[in-house]
Amino acid sequence: GQSLEQPSEVTAVEGAIVQINCTYQTSGFYGLSWYQQHDGGAPTFLSYNALDGLEETGRFSSFLSRSDSYGYLLLQELQMKDSASYFCAVEGYGQNFVFGPGTRLSVLP
Amino acid sequence: NAGVTQTPKFRILKIGQSMTLQCTQDMNHNYMYWYRQDPGMGLKLIYYSVGAGITDKGEVPNGYNVSRSTTEDFPLRLELAAPSQTSVYFCASTLAGNQETQYFGPGTRLLVL
Repeated sequence: GQSLEQPSEVTAVEGAIVQINCTYQTSGFYGLSWYQQHDGGAPTFLSYNALDGLEETGRFSSFLSRSDSYGYLLLQELQMKDSASYFCAVEGYGQNFVFGPGTRLSVLP
Repeated sequence: NAGVTQTPKFRILKIGQSMTLQCTQDMNHNYMYWYRQDPGMGLKLIYYSVGAGITDKGEVPNGYNVSRSTTEDFPLRLELAAPSQTSVYFCASTLAGNQETQYFGPGTRLLVL
């Protein structure tokens, strides 16, 4: 089976940097994705790591360590509009896609 | 392109009723997915399809059925609605080889009373 763990909530102020961690247990692993979801909205894709290391996309970066079954999403220069829930998701064997429970990020002025 | 569209946006069902949630995509994606999301939780995969005529179960398929007669459409059927099926249902699609980047529809909010 597959399971993922994320902190339930994170709070930070505008302009700060925040890191959202994700640990996973899986019987098969292709890669780790990150999605953003605003309240009442649909998830939208942010980033993907198939290999160890850091992937940077603008203010957002994502990191993966396959040996540690661990990844994180790094958000820099936080803005109010970044207040949302963030989900990590593991792509396993057989098209199986498992989402984590989500981390609710609150950005304060 | 409209992307992924879902209908209805919101529905109230009585226990035991049935309904079909519609999902259509116009991006010529071969992979399509149905998820449910309970309040404050992550998404759970119900069913997925890798192409027309091919469907398979996800993590929580019980109480649901799907069909995929065309590339564009992937309806989800609830036969005997139960209160435990109260949730928000999201349809998603992507291209083969690009499964990590799924495009989601706006969701259908379902309440079973």
